[in-house]
Amino acid sequence: DAGVIQSPRHEVTEMGQEVTLRCKPISGHDYLFWYRQTMMRGLELLIYFNNNVPIDDSGMPEDRFSAKMPNASFSTLKIQPSEPRDSAVYFCASSLGPHSYTFGSGTRLTVV
Amino acid sequence: AQTVTQSQPEMSVQEAETVTLSCTYDTSESDYYLFWYKQPPSRQMILVIRQEAYKQQNATENRFSVNFQKAAKSFSLKISDSQLGDAAMYFCAYRILPYSGAGSYQLTFGKGTKLSVIP
Repeated sequence: DAGVIQSPRHEVTEMGQEVTLRCKPISGHDYLFWYRQTMMRGLELLIYFNNNVPIDDSGMPEDRFSAKMPNASFSTLKIQPSEPRDSAVYFCASSLGPHSYTFGSGTRLTVV
Repeated sequence: AQTVTQSQPEMSVQEAETVTLSCTYDTSESDYYLFWYKQPPSRQMILVIRQEAYKQQNATENRFSVNFQKAAKSFSLKISDSQLGDAAMYFCAYRILPYSGAGSYQLTFGKGTKLSVIP
């Protein structure tokens, strides 16, 4: 298995632009999580899905952030409009039930 | 709410020596998982070791072992025979068990400990 695949690996964008981060979970996994990592706040859960349905989005910082999972093999995290304070590493992780957890390699987002 | 505290922002160890990283947590649950993750400069999050709270026996994975003290809510990681490849950020994390009926399946992370290995 190729593991959890995230794209792009790096993204540099200008303030005000729309940014879309992508994630392909491990085949057969039924949970998908989006985390954000910053120096100040560490690793924070943004949202998670179970069987493609959003279960808990209480960690999404603002309405500028949205996430979708149209099918079991794909999820997106969108920021519109982006701001410099959104600069961080964004991780996607998937699991089969609650018993395993595999992270992607992350997307480093820089908003200038 | 559950919290995880790693009190050592940075640690260093001589190659081939042993080092222990500390972690404490706060929870009202009786059943849960605890984890140590390694994040090298490549930023990949790598699972090092996992402990189920209902198991009294400390988990071990090759050179990595934990000292789990449930009453004290302490979960330290010992790395034996340290190697240059062990240099990384290490994160302690907590997760409830699925049938607890409370909260989500998210991982709650500590702020991390940066481990340097001196040749």
